[in-house]
Amino acid sequence: AQSVTQLGSHVSVSEGALVLLRCNYSSSVPPYLFWYVQYPNQGLQLLLKYTSAATLVKGINGFEAEFKKSETSFHLTKPSAHMSDAAEYFCAASSGNNDMRFGAGTRLTVKP
Amino acid sequence: DTGVSQDPRHKITKRGQNVTFRCDPISEHNRLYWYRQTLGQGPEFLTYFQNEAQLEKSRLLSDRFSAERPKGSFSTLEIQRTEQGDSAMYLCASGRSSYEQYFGPGTRLTVT
Repeated sequence: AQSVTQLGSHVSVSEGALVLLRCNYSSSVPPYLFWYVQYPNQGLQLLLKYTSAATLVKGINGFEAEFKKSETSFHLTKPSAHMSDAAEYFCAASSGNNDMRFGAGTRLTVKP
Repeated sequence: DTGVSQDPRHKITKRGQNVTFRCDPISEHNRLYWYRQTLGQGPEFLTYFQNEAQLEKSRLLSDRFSAERPKGSFSTLEIQRTEQGDSAMYLCASGRSSYEQYFGPGTRLTVT
């Protein structure tokens, strides 16, 4: 079964600064990996997903993530934070058998 | 494509009452999932349908919970004899494959 750990429940950056949200997974086989964003009182929106193709995955809103098997990591980055990026971000992993498991989430705050 | 919709968006009920939530998936999606999300946590898997068949249920889905998808389109999640611990956001997602899930806005349940 997959398990997902997100390091840092809160991350605060200044507008224009690099965003780095960390995610590590635990799996005996390379999983499918996802990043979702959730704005207050809304559902989850898919930012990007890794499905065993290119290890560097580009998503919406300028976000990207890199799958590193040796580090069992799938960290989310964005070169320059925007105020509208302030939200909760969830990393998730699945073996492809309808067993998607989510991390506890990281709340991103963007300071002006 | 109007996205996944859920109704109601908010529900306040007294302990011991029954509640029912509805999810309408994206029309061509044969897979439908229910999740529960409590404050400060990521979504937790409850159950999964492929067409009208309920193929997987989490241990979180106690006897008081029941889900249906009678015609393979919309789904309902019923909670009987609600308890305060049932207060959470209930999320529905749909997809065409096991690594594709599009989420609805959720139903926030408050049990008083």
